[in-house]
Amino acid sequence: DTAVSQTPKYLVTQMGNDKSIKCEQNLGHDTMYWYKQDSKKFLKIMFSYNNKELIINETVPNRFSPKSPDKAHLNLHINSLELGDSAVYFCASSQPSRGSYEQYFGPGTRLTVT
Amino acid sequence: AQSVTQLGSHVSVSEGALVLLRCNYSSSVPPYLFWYVQYPNQGLQLLLKYTTGATLVKGINGFEAEFKKSETSFHLTKPSAHMSDAAEYFCAVSKTNFGNEKLTFGTGTRLTIIP
Repeated sequence: DTAVSQTPKYLVTQMGNDKSIKCEQNLGHDTMYWYKQDSKKFLKIMFSYNNKELIINETVPNRFSPKSPDKAHLNLHINSLELGDSAVYFCASSQPSRGSYEQYFGPGTRLTVT
Repeated sequence: AQSVTQLGSHVSVSEGALVLLRCNYSSSVPPYLFWYVQYPNQGLQLLLKYTTGATLVKGINGFEAEFKKSETSFHLTKPSAHMSDAAEYFCAVSKTNFGNEKLTFGTGTRLTIIP
């Protein structure tokens, strides 16, 4: 059983297109996150949701819109893709209300914009 | 604001030698500290964490780290390196305030094991 899963694993698309990445966790966690890892492996948080409510939005362009239909899912929609959006996007989840602050990461989605 | 500095973007050790990966943090509140490992083309896996209590924490795969408040450090060690330890290692810090538990990562250290 995969704890945090993402689809697709690879996404190749052209500039200007709109794409979505899906994330699901079966850990029963209340909080989910999106991180971006750039070509130099630097990881930076983009968003976090707690029980479907947006908690953190780290000055991400408006072209990025997260959506959480329920607390087990957090999807990322990207409009008008740009070359600079090429990166690996990681979903993660945690349960801080139980005093457990570690985050569990999905396998990542490698987005390539051409 | 919190930040993490990992000294050495690349570290090479011989198989069987001591592994030492350095991490220093900055945090305005008592930090929660983590080490994650990333194998090629994979996600991040938690190696170990420090929240409260014992300052020497043991993790998976024989790794351990010691929280030293006076030095604001959380260095990762392993007594004897194995070829399978070759990976990218990330130190991260998290605030303890509920509702804002974002992880702030260091820039990572690539560990190479020399046969």
